[in-house]
Amino acid sequence: RKEVEQDPGPFNVPEGATVAFNCTYSNSASQSFFWYRQDCRKEPKLLMSVYSSGNEDGRFTAQLNRASQYISLLIRDSKLSDSATYLCVVRSRGQNFVFGPGTRLSVLP
Amino acid sequence: EPEVTQTPSHQVTQMGQEVILRCVPISNHLYFYWYRQILGQKVEFLVSFYNNEISEKSEIFDDQFSVERPDGSNFTLKIRSTKLEDSAMYFCASTEENTDTQYFGPGTRLTVL
Repeated sequence: RKEVEQDPGPFNVPEGATVAFNCTYSNSASQSFFWYRQDCRKEPKLLMSVYSSGNEDGRFTAQLNRASQYISLLIRDSKLSDSATYLCVVRSRGQNFVFGPGTRLSVLP
Repeated sequence: EPEVTQTPSHQVTQMGQEVILRCVPISNHLYFYWYRQILGQKVEFLVSFYNNEISEKSEIFDDQFSVERPDGSNFTLKIRSTKLEDSAMYFCASTEENTDTQYFGPGTRLTVL
């Protein structure tokens, strides 16, 4: 089983839509969780860390379910500028960061 | 805003040649990382570096790879004898102590011919 798995995508949605991405991880000892976005041929940029209680940053909401080893990202009122690949990243204490394969989002006018 | 920088932005080399990729992490950061991303594939961890030594490395980071912090600012990745399959984007990242927030550099695109 792969360490971090994500929805295969791509997701093509109209502007204003709500879109949700899912991610699962295999290592139950994982302690830190993140969503990054990556634009084409650019570096990953941190979108948000994911906390046990869930957290929200504007139009973005992240949820963590430790029992199911599942992380989600919800984007509300999507904008054209949200078009990117969204990377789920997981880390166990003292261990390296493990990236998922990413889910590509295209927001269409 | 401080940022991680990398040079060169694009390196083209012949198979079998040595390459050195350079990174300048954010100045007060203590942990440094190298990742690679083959075109169309996921970001893969190569190595982490702390207190002037490797703290962790992946299976990809074999004897052909080495890292060094030759002075107080630069962090380099050397590939001794490049292979075609080393063609990829190489990203450097750094973090402060006691934080998980990684800051990535813009990457070096390595093309091995």
